Amino acid sequence: GQNIDQPTEMTATEGAIVQINCTYQTSGFNGLFWYQQHAGEAPTFLSYNVLDGLEEKGRFSSFLSRSKGYSYLLLKELQMKDSASYLCAYTSGTYKYIFGTGTRLKVLA
Amino acid sequence: GAVVSQHPSRVICKSGTSVKIECRSLDFQATTMFWYRQFPKQSLMLMATSNEGSKATYEQGVEKDKFLINHASLTLSTLTVTSAHPEDSSFYICSARGASSPSGGNTIYFGEGSWLTVV
Repeated sequence: GQNIDQPTEMTATEGAIVQINCTYQTSGFNGLFWYQQHAGEAPTFLSYNVLDGLEEKGRFSSFLSRSKGYSYLLLKELQMKDSASYLCAYTSGTYKYIFGTGTRLKVLA
Repeated sequence: GAVVSQHPSRVICKSGTSVKIECRSLDFQATTMFWYRQFPKQSLMLMATSNEGSKATYEQGVEKDKFLINHASLTLSTLTVTSAHPEDSSFYICSARGASSPSGGNTIYFGEGSWLTVV
């Protein structure tokens, strides 16, 4: 396979915080990306990590540990509109993006 | 606003016919474009990578004679599904990257996607 894994589904409550994990294995690494995809629509870019650490962008933050092949997307103050699939993807040298299967997040009122 | 435009958003065609989907980068030169296919509730499956002026590189299992990809200019790539069959019905998405894009080349931008239904 493509050696990138993330949970299939998650459920959280409006206003809460949720963390979506992603693990990957690759011999070359050029960056880790998170995309949001609503049903029937194309993915939209959320974040990009190439160095270890946390990148914060409003309610969304993304973390990367290259040595562990691990990333997470943190969503704070969840809103109903955050119900979507969240895709992590890595690139390795040639800008070929390898996507995980996506995590379907359901936000409950 | 959108940086990659894809057209048509929805198309229905008869079995055995061909259909063309266009992907355009807006306001930047897309040196590389990618074509993906996505079935409901599944992830994006990379079909091929095309560099401007070169032949597309197809992923294993993707028939190059069935899915014709042309990337003749720095702003346009086309995917033609030839002799379409009902099993080709899917969501097709393009993406593009280039040094002159808003991200400076590190990020790919997706088109809006095209729903193909073959009847």
